[in-house]
Amino acid sequence: SQQGEEDPQALSIQEGENATMNCSYKTSINNLQWYRQNSGRGLVHLILIRSNEREKHSGRLRVTLDTSKKSSSLLITASRAADTASYFCATLNYGQNFVFGPGTRLSVLP
Amino acid sequence: DAGVIQSPRHEVTEMGQEVTLRCKPISGHNSLFWYRQTMMRGLELLIYFNNNVPIDDSGMPEDRFSAKMPNASFSTLKIQPSEPRDSAVYFCASSPRTGESAKNIQYFGAGTRLSVL
Repeated sequence: SQQGEEDPQALSIQEGENATMNCSYKTSINNLQWYRQNSGRGLVHLILIRSNEREKHSGRLRVTLDTSKKSSSLLITASRAADTASYFCATLNYGQNFVFGPGTRLSVLP
Repeated sequence: DAGVIQSPRHEVTEMGQEVTLRCKPISGHNSLFWYRQTMMRGLELLIYFNNNVPIDDSGMPEDRFSAKMPNASFSTLKIQPSEPRDSAVYFCASSPRTGESAKNIQYFGAGTRLSVL
């Protein structure tokens, strides 16, 4: 099974609302990363959070990490139609294994 | 900067044919990664290079797959012979870092959509 597992698999919200996506993993990690993929395009790196960090911000993005629960969340505030994309978490463990989760498809409706 | 450039964008071939996917990393980047994305298996890391040297090819599914990086500005992923189950989107990514931190930030190309009939 995959190291990172996002939930929900799909999420639809109205423009202006906040979107929260979760990622769970199984083994100890060095860091966890979030990527965005627009339809038909490559992935874009959004943010990296290290295992000794609990929260990180980048613009409208807020990422939390709970290593005791082996989970992370990505919050997008004040969503826009342009945020419509698939969002993936990826974990890097100490054995240098780098694994992507299956992703969450976010639809932001105007 | 043009970003990571992959070619072709789309490839349709028949089972048994040889397929070669190409990647030009961002100039100055020292690490290069090949991924495969399918609905069933998601994104899988196939192989990655540091300074043109293959570091980890444990994700390469079979001997039918091979990857080379003859110089810092070019890499190929070859499938010979191709099979229908190889149909997927193949991504190349590069990183300005080497070693353990190379996986901390990657820049992806737009991908090659491969269909094997």
